[in-house]
Amino acid sequence: DQQVKQNSPSLSVQEGRISILNCDYTNSMFDYFLWYKKYPAEGPTFLISISSIKDKNEDGRFTVFLNKSAKHLSLHIVPSQPGDSAVYFCAAKGETSGSRLTFGEGTQLTVNP
Amino acid sequence: KAGVTQTPRYLIKTRGQQVTLSCSPISGHRSVSWYQQTPGQGLQFLFEYFSETQRNKGNFPGRFSGRQFSNSRSEMNVSTLELGDSALYLCASSVVAGNTIYFGEGSWLTVV
Repeated sequence: DQQVKQNSPSLSVQEGRISILNCDYTNSMFDYFLWYKKYPAEGPTFLISISSIKDKNEDGRFTVFLNKSAKHLSLHIVPSQPGDSAVYFCAAKGETSGSRLTFGEGTQLTVNP
Repeated sequence: KAGVTQTPRYLIKTRGQQVTLSCSPISGHRSVSWYQQTPGQGLQFLFEYFSETQRNKGNFPGRFSGRQFSNSRSEMNVSTLELGDSALYLCASSVVAGNTIYFGEGSWLTVV
């Protein structure tokens, strides 16, 4: 039962353009969502998060949008840079789940110069 | 301030052996959790510790165990290693009831 899904295994964009990474979830108990960036054989690096009481959170080039009714969130990166090339993971947690995160499968983002 | 520190970074073990991995959380963080990443299963939650007590446990066999010390440092142990235990093991920490969870660089275990 995959409760968090990232349906696009890969995404390729041109430098300077917008990257949009998508994530869907099924568990309505999830109330906090995080995005991580990961390089091979390294730990995930926290990027940005959003609480279920909000529909948008912005931090520099990164913006996360949450559509609770659709159980869908997306990460926008503007402008995209070659250094953004990595695997991006969406993760979710519930209020009573402590630090237990449920991860999506990840999306490999490639930003071409 | 130092991040989550994991040791060792890389190790090779033989089937049937056991392994202990160590994690030092970010200073002030009292919740420590462990995850396993494999190509086939992605990132999966192993367990979480807070105040030296296991607070949450994922769906892993009893060969996987952990503990937390009074200084919040944590260890995880895998006994009777199997080839399928080859993975990147990640430790993460957060403040109590905190929502932002920070990961270490991971310990890459290869079982031969």
